[in-house]
Amino acid sequence: QKEVEQDPGPLSVPEGAIVSLNCTYSNSAFQYFMWYRQYSRKGPELLMYTYSSGNKEDGRFTAQVDKSSKYISLFIRDSQPSDSATYLCAMTSNTGGFKTIFGAGTRLFVKA
Amino acid sequence: DSGVTQTPKHLITATGQRVTLRCSPRSGDLSVYWYQQSLDQGLQFLIQYYNGEERAKGNILERFSAQQFPDLHSELNLSSLELGDSALYFCASSVGGGAVDEQYFGPGTRLTVT
Repeated sequence: QKEVEQDPGPLSVPEGAIVSLNCTYSNSAFQYFMWYRQYSRKGPELLMYTYSSGNKEDGRFTAQVDKSSKYISLFIRDSQPSDSATYLCAMTSNTGGFKTIFGAGTRLFVKA
Repeated sequence: DSGVTQTPKHLITATGQRVTLRCSPRSGDLSVYWYQQSLDQGLQFLIQYYNGEERAKGNILERFSAQQFPDLHSELNLSSLELGDSALYFCASSVGGGAVDEQYFGPGTRLTVT
């Protein structure tokens, strides 16, 4: 079993839809949870990070962490074609020197 | 543009060969991370250096090694290359070396082993 599970998709939605992206994990030591966006042929860029459980909002993006269920989500409101990319969840614990474990990434297509 | 530079952009080599990938971090960043991204394994953390010293190690093969130099640039050496080593190799940098430090990724080096 992988430490972090993420559905690779692809996920195709119409413009303006609410998108829900999710990851589950098995290591309860993870404390920091991140979402990265990766456009084709580019390096990942950090979208949001949260510490422990709770919600965090930034513009059209909301990140949720439920540590009791070992489940994290990223919601994108009013999705735009420019949101079409691969979204990777990532998480870090402070054991072993802050190794960051990434999910496989979900490919998202937003159709105009 | 993240400010992290990687060279070369593309590299094609044969099995059994050795290659060196180079990374220059953003100005002021002390940490450098190396990642491997392949279709079947996703983005895998290899190793982290902080101010010249190894800080954390991930799933890095013994055939791979890295170092960070006094000017903070880093090199990833891959030897005895196998077909399965074909992947995108990303370097990232951050100001500090902790879990909450935002990592800025470079554009990657695409390695093809034939």
